[in-house]
Amino acid sequence: NAGVTQTPKFQVLKTGQSMTLQCAQDMNHEYMSWYRQDPGMGLRLIHYSVGAGITDQGEVPNGYNVSRSTTEDFPLRLLSAAPSQTSVYFCASSYSRREDTPLHFGNGTRLTVT
Amino acid sequence: GESVGLHLPTLSVQEGDNSIINCAYSNSASDYFIWYKQESGKGPQFIIDIRSNMDKRQGQRVTVLLNKTVKHLSLQIAATQPGDSAVYFCADKPLRTPLVFGKGTRLSVIA
Repeated sequence: NAGVTQTPKFQVLKTGQSMTLQCAQDMNHEYMSWYRQDPGMGLRLIHYSVGAGITDQGEVPNGYNVSRSTTEDFPLRLLSAAPSQTSVYFCASSYSRREDTPLHFGNGTRLTVT
Repeated sequence: GESVGLHLPTLSVQEGDNSIINCAYSNSASDYFIWYKQESGKGPQFIIDIRSNMDKRQGQRVTVLLNKTVKHLSLQIAATQPGDSAVYFCADKPLRTPLVFGKGTRLSVIA
């Protein structure tokens, strides 16, 4: 049982490039979400999903796309990277669709956009 | 918007002492509260949670207290150890909206 797995661990992009951050969980969790963590800002929700085929926007969705074709995977796509997207990105999942059970986090992807 | 804040951004405690980390939340409709620990270079790790119909919940060496009257949450760590050094986040769950995280408190344990 690996929990929540994020790849890659580190990534450097040039402005305007696109990429996909991968997230997979093997706990059969319905709920999955993406957060970004910036110094002094705490964790901010980008997008979330309450089940396969269902996604919704969080607090800071601009510049990011998601899809949920399977229960296990929830990739985050950066369409055209900008320096403001330099951050640490965390994927999380939980058993409950209502997000009132503990979130399990991956170990993050540290992204730098130059 | 609603926010979850922390009274102290840093806390230093002597090894073996008890630690208390405080958190204020603003949404009186929140019904679920949770504490996370984050070590350097890792993702947040669940510590303990509590629902709004409870005032106190205990885990192994940790206790969460909820005061709904003043919208205050605290995490107590008994006999603090060097391995407890980390950043601690609280979060609350307002009705029909996602979890709202605080900015974190850094706990440093002095050996």
